[in-house]
Amino acid sequence: KQEVTQIPAALSVPEGENLVLNCSFTDSAIYNLQWFRQDPGKGLTSLLLIQSSQREQTSGRLNASLDKSSGRSTLYIAASQPGDSATYLCAVNGQNFVFGPGTRLSVLP
Amino acid sequence: GAVVSQHPSRVICKSGTSVKIECRSLDFQATTMFWYRQFPKQSLMLMATSNEGSKATYEQGVEKDKFLINHASLTLSTLTVTSAHPEDSSFYICSARSRGSGSTDTQYFGPGTRLTVL
Repeated sequence: KQEVTQIPAALSVPEGENLVLNCSFTDSAIYNLQWFRQDPGKGLTSLLLIQSSQREQTSGRLNASLDKSSGRSTLYIAASQPGDSATYLCAVNGQNFVFGPGTRLSVLP
Repeated sequence: GAVVSQHPSRVICKSGTSVKIECRSLDFQATTMFWYRQFPKQSLMLMATSNEGSKATYEQGVEKDKFLINHASLTLSTLTVTSAHPEDSSFYICSARSRGSGSTDTQYFGPGTRLTVL
């Protein structure tokens, strides 16, 4: 059974800092991995999708890496802004779609 | 933790038929449920947001007459794909937000339904 964990559970940083969110999964037999952003009262916003054959994806200030063999992914956020405050979820798509518990990020102005 | 179930987990249907997918919150009341779909090798995309007792809000590009959403109770939302076509084949996942959780926002996700239209 696939299990997905995320570290840290919560993070509070001052504006402008670079930060890394971690995602780990137990079963490396996956099709892809996605990072989402979740804002209060809203649905998920997809940030980055990494196929199992890929190592990295970039979008603006976001960079996500995938090491399938070790069951790890990281989301790097450069020059964080208060608008980045949200919960960040990783989700692994294998036999089922399994989400991690999320990292709640607060970027302080 | 809170559990959200979806039924069926997989469905295969013929083109032109309608398919109903159920999303249930098993141990909590969900004032809001979200429906997503994911096409092969693409990101999961939000389709619509449904609030109990009111009409669903659809995302741009999602046909509300084709994807009928009913959120008739605090524990059940249904998505009906009407007159399904092969291009509707996708992975559909719902999530439910608990009522009066006291936190800013907690959503729980169903395991998804894989629809194949022949």
